[in-house]
Amino acid sequence: QLVLTQSPSASASLGASVKLTCTLSSGHTTYAIAWHQKQPEKGPRFLMKVNSDGSHNKGDGVPDRFSGSSSGAERYLTISSLQSEDEADYYCQTWSTDVSWVFGGGTKLTVV
Amino acid sequence: EGQLLESGGGLVQPGGSLRLSCAASGFTFRNFAMSWVRQAPGKGLEWVSTVSPSGRGYYADSVKGRFTISRDNAKNSMSVQMNSLRAEDTAEYFCAKVLEQWLVQGTFDIWGQGTMVTVAS
Repeated sequence: QLVLTQSPSASASLGASVKLTCTLSSGHTTYAIAWHQKQPEKGPRFLMKVNSDGSHNKGDGVPDRFSGSSSGAERYLTISSLQSEDEADYYCQTWSTDVSWVFGGGTKLTVV
Repeated sequence: EGQLLESGGGLVQPGGSLRLSCAASGFTFRNFAMSWVRQAPGKGLEWVSTVSPSGRGYYADSVKGRFTISRDNAKNSMSVQMNSLRAEDTAEYFCAKVLEQWLVQGTFDIWGQGTMVTVAS
């Protein structure tokens, strides 16, 4: 079964960096994923697609502070020079060949 | 830049029906698969349904047999007819565009602002 696992919460200081992790379930470790940002009272925002080789393609207007990488079954979103507006929920997403989509449970990022 | 705008949300009784719509602009709508994703209060994102460029629908198990997705390429719009609604369908519903043309897979690169559906008596 295709499952994405994320830590429920993360925190980092203003101006620092944070690395969020999304783990693919066994048997699906070569899948690409995408990262989306969800702020309260707003629709989600596509940040980037991250491939199994670590290459990533960012959405329009996504700042250079956001980057993606990969290692084995794990896909990462790194945010550097954290700003207060980066405080949000971050979801990873993937898709199956049987035409279905899966989201991770989301990570609530707090900027302190 | 593409934009999506949902409408049609509201309060409905259990067992009732509601139709949500999504108006698209700023991209060649007919070339892209479109999706609905929902977020229940305090919960995460959940994929609901996707319609291919040609109009074929795909559904999550939780809504199969109750929801019907459709699109009107001439009007750049997509809809979902939701029947036999349950309390657990209460959520913010977002429409989203699939990134790559013609594919019924891949990530979503444009999202709407959402419309709230509340199922309660």
